[in-house]
Amino acid sequence: QKEVEQDPGPLSVPEGAIVSLNCTYSNSAFQYFMWYRQYSRKGPELLMYTYSSGNKEDGRFTAQVDKSSKYISLFIRDSQPSDSATYLCAMSARSNYQLIWGAGTKLIIKP
Amino acid sequence: NAGVTQTPKFQVLKTGQSMTLQCAQDMNHEYMSWYRQDPGMGLRLIHYSVGAGITDQGEVPNGYNVSRSTTEDFPLRLLSAAPSQTSVYFCASRPLAGEWKETQYFGPGTRLLVL
Repeated sequence: QKEVEQDPGPLSVPEGAIVSLNCTYSNSAFQYFMWYRQYSRKGPELLMYTYSSGNKEDGRFTAQVDKSSKYISLFIRDSQPSDSATYLCAMSARSNYQLIWGAGTKLIIKP
Repeated sequence: NAGVTQTPKFQVLKTGQSMTLQCAQDMNHEYMSWYRQDPGMGLRLIHYSVGAGITDQGEVPNGYNVSRSTTEDFPLRLLSAAPSQTSVYFCASRPLAGEWKETQYFGPGTRLLVL
């Protein structure tokens, strides 16, 4: 079993929909949670970073961590075609430590 | 700032050939790393470095060598290419301290095909 599980998709939704992307993990020591966005044929870029449990909001994006369920989510409101990309979750047990990555979910927003 | 740059963008090798993937960053980051990305596998760490002269192995180091003679450069060497090394390779860097130490900055990637 992988330490971090992520549905590869693709997830296809119409423009304007609310998107929910998720990762589950097995290591209860994880405390640092990140979402990276990767456009086709580009390197990943950090989208959201959360420490421990709770929610964090940035514009149309909300990151949510539920440590009791070992489950993290990324919500995208008012989705746009420009949000079409692969979204990777990553996490670590300590600050400044190696990240464990999910396989990524490919998201397609249809105009 | 150019950020993290990688060359070449694409390379085809024959089994047994060797080559070096180049990576450079102009952000004065102490930490640099190499990942490979394969379908369904996510990013896997090959080697990393926390400063000039210091390197260490990641999750999948076999068949690869690295060196770090300067803060800016972190080349990845394939010693004897195998078809299993066909992948997309990403170099990344980040600072070890400060506000952005949890943020990895990635290069555009090198696509490698080993025949």
